Amino acid sequence: EAEVAQSPRYKITEKSQAVAFWCDPISGHATLYWYRQILGQGPELLVQFQDESVVDDSQLPKDRFSAERLKGVDSTLKIQPAELGDSAMYLCASSPKESGPNGNEQFFGPGTRLTVL
Amino acid sequence: GENVEQHPSTLSVQEGDSAVIKCTYSDSASNYFPWYKQELGKRPQLIIDIRSNVGEKKDQRIAVTLNKTAKHFSLHITETQPEDSAVYFCAATDSWGKLQFGAGTQVVVTP
Repeated sequence: EAEVAQSPRYKITEKSQAVAFWCDPISGHATLYWYRQILGQGPELLVQFQDESVVDDSQLPKDRFSAERLKGVDSTLKIQPAELGDSAMYLCASSPKESGPNGNEQFFGPGTRLTVL
Repeated sequence: GENVEQHPSTLSVQEGDSAVIKCTYSDSASNYFPWYKQELGKRPQLIIDIRSNVGEKKDQRIAVTLNKTAKHFSLHITETQPEDSAVYFCAATDSWGKLQFGAGTQVVVTP
């Protein structure tokens, strides 16, 4: 069964450093999501792509976070500079259907656990 | 925007008993309500979902009910087993189709 892939699985960095996470969605999935999950909380959407276009980045801290999905397939999320409060699990998810008012099943990757020291 | 509240935050049940988790939402336009199970260190996995045109859905030992008037939905697990131990998240779409998750319920099934 196809799954969403993410790397690295774990990342430890010092504050003020730059970090990057990679996500490869299930083949053919047009919609890609990046979530941040703080320990003990539910996932919170950071950015949503429809193919290569951003459709929602309202919760993305744009002064330090950036995301791209250049060819509408895999995606990269970057943080520069990292801060202590960025320590969390970063989850990528994909959906086969176009985004819109009717929600659709999202398939999650294993996540990248970031620790900022 | 959408606000989803989930209760309880922890739930301990004896094996074989039933478990019920309740969620409320604020956006009356919400029309999709998935439930995810997340085992320790693993990815969230969809276990069941329901759309607003349906009041109840069942899949083996798992069922979800939706009350649109009261804006709440619930997950029911019957005949619980140790492998049901995990964190369960409810979610609801907002008017833009974005999923808003609850804070999660830690379910512990004791043999």
